[in-house]
Amino acid sequence: GENVGLHLPTLSVQEGDNSIINCAYSNSASDYFIWYKQESGKGPQFIIDIRSNMDKRQGQRVTVLLNKTVKHLSLQIAATQPGDSAVYFCAENPEVSGANSKLTFGKGITLSVRP
Amino acid sequence: NAGVMQNPRHLVRRRGQEARLRCSPVKGHSHVYWYRQLPEEGLKFMVYLQKENIIDESGMPKERFSAEFPKEGPSILRIQQVVRGDSAAYFCASSETVNTEAFFGQGTRLTVV
Repeated sequence: GENVGLHLPTLSVQEGDNSIINCAYSNSASDYFIWYKQESGKGPQFIIDIRSNMDKRQGQRVTVLLNKTVKHLSLQIAATQPGDSAVYFCAENPEVSGANSKLTFGKGITLSVRP
Repeated sequence: NAGVMQNPRHLVRRRGQEARLRCSPVKGHSHVYWYRQLPEEGLKFMVYLQKENIIDESGMPKERFSAEFPKEGPSILRIQQVVRGDSAAYFCASSETVNTEAFFGQGTRLTVV
């Protein structure tokens, strides 16, 4: 079936280094992708999104890259800080009825920042 | 501005009881989404509602689960005759339109004993 998955369950980085979190998806009809950050005991927090007509989008310290050829999504965090420690999820919407109407989430990857 | 408010934060129910989870969306948001999260898993879509209407309930179990979003008041996710497998974190999100950013609440952690 269609799914969104992450390559690695955990990622440990040194404070100040750049982090790259990867995500694979299999539904070529997906039109909208989002990265969420979830801290312990909290709900997912929107980080950045990208539509399928783009291959790169930048935010504050974060960049999302979309490679539709290989169905790959990545989140780059520049100068990783201790506050970036959390679980990160990629999500996709395979529906055409609206970006938020039915998101499919990946399993999540834990980012741990070493001081 | 208050974000999405969910209550209770923690709910313990015995098997066979009913669980009612409430979600107050961001003021002005008419689109509400419910998701379920099992430990160490991603969120699974359950239902999408827009004021008084269920738009997509394809992720809802066929039995025991229901959701509503009345004209006045919060959205309610209701689970009848709970079983241990219903234990999970239930998250609600809201958005102003279906294409604008969805904000998540802090979730309700349901434990069935």
